[in-house]
Amino acid sequence: QSALTQPRSVSGSPGQSVTISCTGTSSDVGAYNYVSWYQQHPGKAPKLMIFDVSKRPSGVPDRFSGSKSGNTASLTISGLQTEDEADYYCCSYAAIYTAFGGGTKVTVL
Amino acid sequence: QVQLVQSGAEVKKPGASVKVSCKASGYTFTGNYLHWMRQAPGQGLEWVGWINPNNGGTDYAQKFQGRVTMTMDTSISTAYMELTSLRSDDTAVYYCARDWNGNTFDYWGQGTLATVSS
Repeated sequence: QSALTQPRSVSGSPGQSVTISCTGTSSDVGAYNYVSWYQQHPGKAPKLMIFDVSKRPSGVPDRFSGSKSGNTASLTISGLQTEDEADYYCCSYAAIYTAFGGGTKVTVL
Repeated sequence: QVQLVQSGAEVKKPGASVKVSCKASGYTFTGNYLHWMRQAPGQGLEWVGWINPNNGGTDYAQKFQGRVTMTMDTSISTAYMELTSLRSDDTAVYYCARDWNGNTFDYWGQGTLATVSS
């Protein structure tokens, strides 16, 4: 039951795009299309941003998008805005457990 | 509207137990699994386990098996997570979250800080 691998940090200027990778294994990310992404601001509970690899819940801006290739999922934020500065976590179903990534801090320069 | 409201902060000594509650409202309590996660200070999210409020079934992360018990009281739409034999590295914010669809956590509680200190 291992954690998924994410970069510790990514950064970009307002209006730019950033992509966060989330690498798992053939037992979790590679096996199921149940990958979700969460945004967390300091001191707050996580917020669902993407589910089922690439679907956006109602109310989440369309500048957030998700994809997957093999054992790696990705979250892209297009047209970066200051309020997007936060920690982001990927999550994958893995049958007998649920795996989270270690988190990526997105900094808006 | 859907809400998950957790119990307040706790301070416990090493070796003690902590029990956190999560009261659900705004939806049918027995209709969705509830998961528990935790987040140590400055660290990432860690999955603890889930409970199925429909039948009380549970599944726990291997790391916590033998130390964690999840229960519920459907009459008051409340789930509980108890962690025993606490150590200092159990200090964390504990969250409950509703599983909407295949490990998709659409609503989260506000979090409960459990501090383990002698």
